[in-house]
Amino acid sequence: DTGVSQDPRHKITKRGQNVTFRCDPISEHNRLYWYRQTLGQGPEFLTYFQNEAQLEKSRLLSDRFSAERPKGSFSTLEIQRTEQGDSAMYLCASSPGRKGTEAFFGQGTRLTVV
Amino acid sequence: AQSVTQLGSHVSVSEGALVLLRCNYSSSVPPYLFWYVQYPNQGLQLLLKYTTGATLVKGINGFEAEFKKSETSFHLTKPSAHMSDAAEYFCAVSDPDNDMRFGAGTRLTVKP
Repeated sequence: DTGVSQDPRHKITKRGQNVTFRCDPISEHNRLYWYRQTLGQGPEFLTYFQNEAQLEKSRLLSDRFSAERPKGSFSTLEIQRTEQGDSAMYLCASSPGRKGTEAFFGQGTRLTVV
Repeated sequence: AQSVTQLGSHVSVSEGALVLLRCNYSSSVPPYLFWYVQYPNQGLQLLLKYTTGATLVKGINGFEAEFKKSETSFHLTKPSAHMSDAAEYFCAVSDPDNDMRFGAGTRLTVKP
C-alpha cells in the first residue's frame, strides 16, 4: 500500500493554458475525492466519485473544470483556460466508502498560474 | 447539507500548556466527525475520528476529542503541548454517504 499518489507535485502554467492532474488512489478504495485548498483555508470540496461514477460536483467547479475516473481506478482533473484565481493546492483523497471511514489524502498538486 | 465551523483561525499556547481547538458542526443526520492535521507542504493526516459509541475519542500524538451532541461540538484537546504539535488542524464532518466537508482550519503555534 503506497498511499494516495498525485502527479505532478508542482505545476506552473501561463494564464489561458490547460492543465491536467492525476490521482492514483489506494487500490481497494472505491471513493475518490478532489478538493481545492488556498492559503490559510480548509480544503474545499470539488467533486467525488464512487467507482467510475461522478456523484456530486460543487458549484465551485466551473465549466472550465472537468474530472474523470475511467474504470474506477485513477482520476484526472483538468482545468481549461486557466486563470490566476485557479492558483491553489489541489488535493485528492480516497476512502473505502464504508460508513464512517476516513479519507486518505495525497500530498497534493500545487498549481501556480502566472 | 453538513458543515463545520472552527472557532479561532489561530491559537497560540506555551509548550506544556493545554491545547483546545474548537469545532462545531451542523448535520441533519447523525454525523461522523474527524480531526486532521496538516504540516507545511504535506497532505492531511488523520488524528482521530468519531463514528458511534464512546463519545470521548483518543487519537495519535496524545490528542483526544469529545463528541457532544447537545452542543453540536467536537473540540480537540491535548493536555500538554509540544513544539512538534505546531501545525494546521482541520475538523471535518461526513454523512452516511461519506461526503466529507472541512472547516477553515486552526493554525496552532507553540511557544517555547
